[in-house]
Amino acid sequence: QQQVKQSPQSLIVQKGGISIINCAYENTAFDYFPWYQQFPGKGPALLIAIRPDVSEKKEGRFTISFNKSAKQFSLHIMDSQPGDSATYFCAASISNAGNMLTFGGGTRLMVKP
Amino acid sequence: DSGVTQTPKHLITATGQRVTLRCSPRSGDLSVYWYQQSLDQGLQFLIQYYNGEERAKGNILERFSAQQFPDLHSELNLSSLELGDSALYFCASSARTGGGTEAFFGQGTRLTVV
Repeated sequence: QQQVKQSPQSLIVQKGGISIINCAYENTAFDYFPWYQQFPGKGPALLIAIRPDVSEKKEGRFTISFNKSAKQFSLHIMDSQPGDSATYFCAASISNAGNMLTFGGGTRLMVKP
Repeated sequence: DSGVTQTPKHLITATGQRVTLRCSPRSGDLSVYWYQQSLDQGLQFLIQYYNGEERAKGNILERFSAQQFPDLHSELNLSSLELGDSALYFCASSARTGGGTEAFFGQGTRLTVV
């Protein structure tokens, strides 16, 4: 059972544009929602994370929007740059149950110069 | 550099064989997680250890086992290997076992079973 669904699978954006990646979850016990960035040959690296008590979190060009009632959250990358080209994973975990991550399927982002 | 070290980086072995993947967590991190990344299954949680004890199991096959040693490094043992076990295996560590603690990933071990 895929508990976190991520879309789109791939995304092409022009430099300076906005990249938007969406995720939906099923388990209402999830209470920590991180986004990871992965470059080829590297392990995933935490980009930004949010808890369900806030609806939005912004760090630099990266913003998470969270809709608890819809069980959806999304990553917005403003002013996308070629260096942002990577695979992005949303994830979810339950804080008091070991914090193991359930990942979405990933989105391969390509930012064209 | 995340501070999590995994060895080896690449491993090629034959079906039916057994391999051991090693992970050294970040200094001070007590919790170690193993994940498998494959094209068809994506990133999947396998098993977690905290301060030497198994804390949680995910989609880990019975042919796979893991342990965490007193110095906190961890090993993932994969036996009776099948072609479908070919994947990237990641280790991650975190300071605590809960509270939404950030998990830091190593660069992974790419296992190829031929």
